[in-house]
Amino acid sequence: DIVMTQSPDSLAVSLGERATINCKASQSVLHTSNNKNYLTWFQQKPGQPPKLLIYWASTRASGVPDRFSGSGSGTDFTLTISSLQAEDVALYYCQQHYSTPYSFGQGTKLEIK
Amino acid sequence: QVQLQQSGPGLVKPSQTLSLTCAISGDSVSSNSVFWSWIRQSPSRGLEWLGRTYYRSKWYNDYAVSVKSQITISPDTSNNQFSLHLNSVTPEDTAVYYCAGSTDHLRYWGQGILVTVSS
Repeated sequence: DIVMTQSPDSLAVSLGERATINCKASQSVLHTSNNKNYLTWFQQKPGQPPKLLIYWASTRASGVPDRFSGSGSGTDFTLTISSLQAEDVALYYCQQHYSTPYSFGQGTKLEIK
Repeated sequence: QVQLQQSGPGLVKPSQTLSLTCAISGDSVSSNSVFWSWIRQSPSRGLEWLGRTYYRSKWYNDYAVSVKSQITISPDTSNNQFSLHLNSVTPEDTAVYYCAGSTDHLRYWGQGILVTVSS
């Protein structure tokens, strides 16, 4: 099974500043057949299901502001929020769908400093 | 626009069976391109994928090893929905349960149901 590990567990950033969350997979999630990373980022706010933010490691989902970006390949990935807004306070999760069982990181709690 | 509506009891007694249903609108449970999954979330386990059902000329299931002895996920084509059955539950199965749909990534999510296992 693929284990997903996020860092840090929590993060406090000032409004307007950059926030960076890392995700490491225990094995590569890059499919060489199509050169796609099977890595997704979700945002979750209290009482809501996870919301799709980024898929294929770097493609923003429809309606997601362009201050959110994803990068990385293979086993190491990053979610960046370029200029933190108050509404970005949430839990963030990475998830792999390279193989079953699908697996999630433990989550990163993002707060305002 | 695909929407998933979950239903089922919020309280289940230990050793009994947890049963939830996910009604699909905007797509078909028999779609040849979609996977229909169940996921749960608890403070102790985080987000945990439990399994999926999907149709590719015939029906298939994949289950997480952690629940393989307890779980059944089944489609209901007459009502365009799919169900989760988790038997012999214990308090450790207390969680928010989500259904989800994916072509590749988990794009569509139900609203979630908190299920508490308690006598």
